[in-house]
Amino acid sequence: GESVGLHLPTLSVQEGDNSIINCAYSNSASDYFIWYKQESGKGPQFIIDIRSNMDKRQGQRVTVLLNKTVKHLSLQIAATQPGDSAVYFCAENLSGGSNYKLTFGKGTLLTVNP
Amino acid sequence: GAVVSQHPSRVICKSGTSVKIECRSLDFQATTMFWYRQFPKQSLMLMATSNEGSKATYEQGVEKDKFLINHASLTLSTLTVTSAHPEDSSFYICSATGTSGGEMADTQYFGPGTRLTVL
Repeated sequence: GESVGLHLPTLSVQEGDNSIINCAYSNSASDYFIWYKQESGKGPQFIIDIRSNMDKRQGQRVTVLLNKTVKHLSLQIAATQPGDSAVYFCAENLSGGSNYKLTFGKGTLLTVNP
Repeated sequence: GAVVSQHPSRVICKSGTSVKIECRSLDFQATTMFWYRQFPKQSLMLMATSNEGSKATYEQGVEKDKFLINHASLTLSTLTVTSAHPEDSSFYICSATGTSGGEMADTQYFGPGTRLTVL
């Protein structure tokens, strides 16, 4: 999702449902993307990454989809659990070579209802 | 693997004092470390990129004389907020990447963050 002003987009799901969190990235030259999960008061935690030569990658209960044509990234969480409640950020790598600087999206707050 | 620690986790200081925050990679050598700040309900904003043994590269708008960064070894970087003011109160987070060319070269692993409150 996209944020408006200072308000985080939110997604509320029921426990056990699948969640889909979306992200639009800015630079068509970006070639590496990461999803992070950030719980309140903690640092971001790596979830899954994908390179631009792929359009899908799966992890444990998570799948990342990359659509380079429209510069869109999504994170799918299967069988969402209360422990998945957090803010999710996508990040893109704007420079290759030796400088691995990431630019973060604005985040989506996922709330899982029991 | 890929554990990054920060110390302290929380600090309260008086206006005008300086505060040092440490960032350590515990189980890997970090060629590059990054420092971010984050305000409530906002995303992470990159402040500077730090390579071991060289001067940090600061993002536009970040005062290098106010936010001093030292990356003296492959496992330690420090951020010193000098002459802190209430507007410097924020959540400061570091991250680290592994040595160039390795599996961990691209991915940034984050520390738990440091909550700074300036009175």
